[in-house]
Formats: sequence, C-alpha cells, structure tokens
Amino acid sequence: NAGVTQTPKFRVLKTGQSMTLLCAQDMNHEYMYWYRQDPGMGLRLIHYSVGEGTTAKGEVPDGYNVSRLKKQNFLLGLESAAPSQTSVYFCASSYKVVYRGNGYTFGSGTRLTVV
Amino acid sequence: AQKVTQAQTEISVVEKEDVTLDCVYETRDTTYYLFWYKQPPSGELVFLIRRNSFDEQNEISGRYSWNFQKSTSSFNFTITASQVVDSAVYFCAFIPEDNTDKLIFGTGTRLQVFP
Repeated sequence: NAGVTQTPKFRVLKTGQSMTLLCAQDMNHEYMYWYRQDPGMGLRLIHYSVGEGTTAKGEVPDGYNVSRLKKQNFLLGLESAAPSQTSVYFCASSYKVVYRGNGYTFGSGTRLTVV
Repeated sequence: AQKVTQAQTEISVVEKEDVTLDCVYETRDTTYYLFWYKQPPSGELVFLIRRNSFDEQNEISGRYSWNFQKSTSSFNFTITASQVVDSAVYFCAFIPEDNTDKLIFGTGTRLQVFP
C-alpha cells in the first residue's frame, strides 16, 4: 500500500549508542517531518524538510540530525542516545500545499527506548 | 503565538453516551486550516477531518460531527452514541495558510469508552 514506511518499529539502545531511523514515502510528497510523541505533550516537531537536500530545525532538534538525500527518504539520526530520547517517533509527509487534502500522512511510528 | 489547546486530558464514558472533545486555537491569521486526527491503541495516526477557516458550516459524518466557531476560536468534535472502538487519543491540529512547513498539534485527549 502507498504511504509512509518507518523502520524499525521498535528499538532498544544503550546510552551513548547511535542509530538511524529511516522514513520512506512513495507519494511523491515534497515535505517530510519527524515528530516525537511523549505522554501529555502531544506531537513535537524535531526536524523537517521542504525538499530534497534541504532540512530545517523544528521545536525540539537538540540531539538529533537529519538528512534528505533522496526525495522519498528522510533519515533521523541519534549520534549519542540519551534516556531523554526515549519516545515514540513519527515520520510524516505532505504535499507542498500542506493544508489541502488530509494534511499529513503519518508512518506507523518507532518506539525507541534508551536505557 | 499560534497554539492549540485541548484542555481535556482524559475522558471516560460508557458506551452509547455522547461525548464532545474540545479544541481551542490561537492565531492572528485570517486564513487557516484545522484538523482532527485519531490515534487508536495500535498507535497509528488517522486523519478524520480538515476544516477551512472561511467555511464555518458544521460537518457530520456518521456518528461524528464537528462544530467550528470562529468567534470563539473553537473546533469541537462530538461522537454520538460512542462505541468501544472509539477509544483512542484524539488530536486537534492547526496550520495557517501562509505557513509552508508544519502542523501545530494540541496535546491530545484520551477517550476511553467502557462497555
């Protein structure tokens, strides 16, 4: 099915380890986003991209890096994981005109635990 | 500042009761878009509705209805004759027309429907 695919779905990291979360979309969306979801705080934007080769910081960018080398992929990296980064991570994509249609299409999420 | 407030953290009802989820937003923009998303226990985010600021007509979709009142900056969501399957976290979100990057989410309301 067309949509947004996130890998992996679950991961446990030790403090200080690094990892990369992969997001892939097949809808030819220009924009892509990484959010984290924590209890009582809703979804907070980490980084986003408005096109291939571009990235920008969101609300909570510290401790994360991103890359968008191809239009369909958006990678989120944790260079040195910390327990505060334990969260559920959602990737989303949208057309340039975000407010048309359904807004964002979300992936199914990645549950990350840092111990 | 632009902001979405969902003051109800958690609501519990018994099946067949009607329930209203509140959403209040803050903006100085004249044109904007509002969304509701549902996050069932399985974790994915599901689009429910998009509403334009220039269209204050209420909308009904089966047991779901939405009441948009620009005068009070509210976009409330009512479920009639609730069912156990309605149990989920519901997010209200906002984006102004001239914002080319991101949806602003409320913190969500957890709805529990008991049989």
